[in-house]
Amino acid sequence: DAEITQSPRHKITETGRQVTLACHQTWNHNNMFWYRQDLGHGLRLIHYSYGVQDTNKGEVSDGYSVSRSNTEDLPLTLESAASSQTSVYFCASSESNRDNSPLHFGNGTRLTVT
Amino acid sequence: LAKTTQPISMDSYEGQEVNITCSHNNIATNDYITWYQQFPSQGPRFIIQGYKTKVTNEVASLFIPADRKSSTLSLPRVSLSDTAVYYCLVGESYTGTASKLTFGTGTRLQVTL
Repeated sequence: DAEITQSPRHKITETGRQVTLACHQTWNHNNMFWYRQDLGHGLRLIHYSYGVQDTNKGEVSDGYSVSRSNTEDLPLTLESAASSQTSVYFCASSESNRDNSPLHFGNGTRLTVT
Repeated sequence: LAKTTQPISMDSYEGQEVNITCSHNNIATNDYITWYQQFPSQGPRFIIQGYKTKVTNEVASLFIPADRKSSTLSLPRVSLSDTAVYYCLVGESYTGTASKLTFGTGTRLQVTL
């Protein structure tokens, strides 16, 4: 079965370090997204991509970057981790050739910045 | 952007029908209404989607009035395993508009015996 996998599930890092969170999907979806989830804020969009070599900023993109070198992967990089980036991060994907295709989510990465 | 408003929380007993209403007064002509369910330590999961009138699948029903300014997710005979957070989204996920999908804080449904 097709799926979307995030790794690691849990990560603890120190302030100032660069961190990369992995997202891999086998749905062959062109659209991929990164969200963060914090208490009281729901899910907020960080970055998204509509295909290889395409990346776009979302609502809360400061301090984050993504790259899309193939269809399956959209890694999220925190250039210099800050305590405010402690959160749960979710990756999602959706079809690009069908109106209103649902989002398929991974099970998240819990990141703690100390 | 079509903003949505949902109750913060709801309580129900097992076996009852639960209706969660979402308000979306600024819904656009091309917008669909989509509901997701999220369990602790998991990503949201698609439940149901509709444009107008009524949609039913094996999990839930979605009722949308003619003016489309609100929608109601109906869960028949809930069980303890339906305890989760439910999100109502309004918008398009098609290329070019996916960034406009906004998740609110959702409705936390607690089901007890």
